[in-house]
Amino acid sequence: NAGVTQTPKFQVLKTGQSMTLQCAQDMNHNSMYWYRQDPGMGLRLIYYSASEGTTDKGEVPNGYNVSRLNKREFSLRLESAAPSQTSVYFCASSTVGQSSYNSPLHFGNGTRLTVT
Amino acid sequence: AQSVTQLDSQVPVFEEAPVELRCNYSSSVSVYLFWYVQYPNQGLQLLLKYLSGSTLVKGINGFEAEFNKSQTSFHLRKPSVHISDTAEYFCAVTEGPTGGFKTIFGAGTRLFVKA
Repeated sequence: NAGVTQTPKFQVLKTGQSMTLQCAQDMNHNSMYWYRQDPGMGLRLIYYSASEGTTDKGEVPNGYNVSRLNKREFSLRLESAAPSQTSVYFCASSTVGQSSYNSPLHFGNGTRLTVT
Repeated sequence: AQSVTQLDSQVPVFEEAPVELRCNYSSSVSVYLFWYVQYPNQGLQLLLKYLSGSTLVKGINGFEAEFNKSQTSFHLRKPSVHISDTAEYFCAVTEGPTGGFKTIFGAGTRLFVKA
């Protein structure tokens, strides 16, 4: 019963370094999402993928890229990390659009990223 | 564009007292409403969701929420809280196909339950 799996759990980067956050879900969901969580700001949508082969920008896409590798996997890449990208990153998936519009999100446990 | 406003950033309350966490939203299309809970160092879990029909929705752990379309609100309530309810609570809305199925969250409300 893995659900949504994110790796790594923690990461420290220096300014300018790059990295990819990995996310995989085993629930056969069409939709996948990347959020960042910052104190007092809730969760802000970075990018989402409503179905395999499509990706769209969310509220805060600058400085990030995504790849929907297949139905299971949705990765988030930071090409040149900045201190402002220090945050907790959550991946989520959902069946919204497949069967109903009120399907909830299923979240991974997050990746804590610090950029120094 | 849709937005979600949680009116209180922190709510302290004594154990066994009632609590209401407020949420207002704005959207130009049909939306679907949710409350999620986040315990420390964990991801978010679904607390309850609004289905069409009854405006009063019951969720897990004794929580309920009332949808008010005219006031565009979806406030969360619990008649008697426990210490274990201490967590952060997020209101969220998902737009239908014209909104691209995006889910947008409020800034969260930290509930502190004191003994």
